[in-house]
Amino acid sequence: GEQVEQRPPHLSVREGDSAIIICTYTDSATAYFSWYKQEAGAGLQLLMSVLSNVDRKEEQGLTVLLNKKDKRLSLNLTAAHPGDSAVYFCAVPPSSNTDKVVFGTGTRLQVSP
Amino acid sequence: NAGVIQTPRHKVTGKGQEATLWCEPISGHSAVFWYRQTIVQGLEFLTYFRNQAPIDDSGMPKERFSAQMPNQSHSTLKIQSTQPQDSAVYLCASSSDWGNTGQLYFGEGSKLTVL
Repeated sequence: GEQVEQRPPHLSVREGDSAIIICTYTDSATAYFSWYKQEAGAGLQLLMSVLSNVDRKEEQGLTVLLNKKDKRLSLNLTAAHPGDSAVYFCAVPPSSNTDKVVFGTGTRLQVSP
Repeated sequence: NAGVIQTPRHKVTGKGQEATLWCEPISGHSAVFWYRQTIVQGLEFLTYFRNQAPIDDSGMPKERFSAQMPNQSHSTLKIQSTQPQDSAVYLCASSSDWGNTGQLYFGEGSKLTVL
């Protein structure tokens, strides 16, 4: 089945710095790749999704890059701020519509003032 | 749009007791998922329903755990004879177009503590 590796597990940056989280996966699927954010005590919040035929998407200080050749998905928080402190998960789409999405292991991001 | 609603938010049970967790998906969403989250194991898939039918329960412990979706407005996860290792946050998520988007909308979770 699909294998997803996410790194780093922990990331500390200062306010205004960029933070990059990377996921690599084994199988390709023609669907949306997604990033989720989980704040303390809450569920996962869908941040951004990119369709598999899109290489790059930018939205509100977030940049998602999808490299299908290398099977790598990344999330770049440009100019991070303390409110971005949370756990981030990548999600790789199911290979069929009866399959389940595979989540990365999560990255705990801490943004200090 | 109220989002996915999970109740209770917190539940404490004694070892051997039963726990039932409820999930109300977003209206109109056809797929409902259950996940379990712990610090040690991370996010674990349990089971999912599509149009109320069980599709994949490969993540469910075969004994003591069961899930149902009696109608399109709610799903339940029942744990019989709870054990301390069942302590976790149980997350429910729904999706409107699972086969095409793979996008999930999560509830806030139900934190189960088994003493």
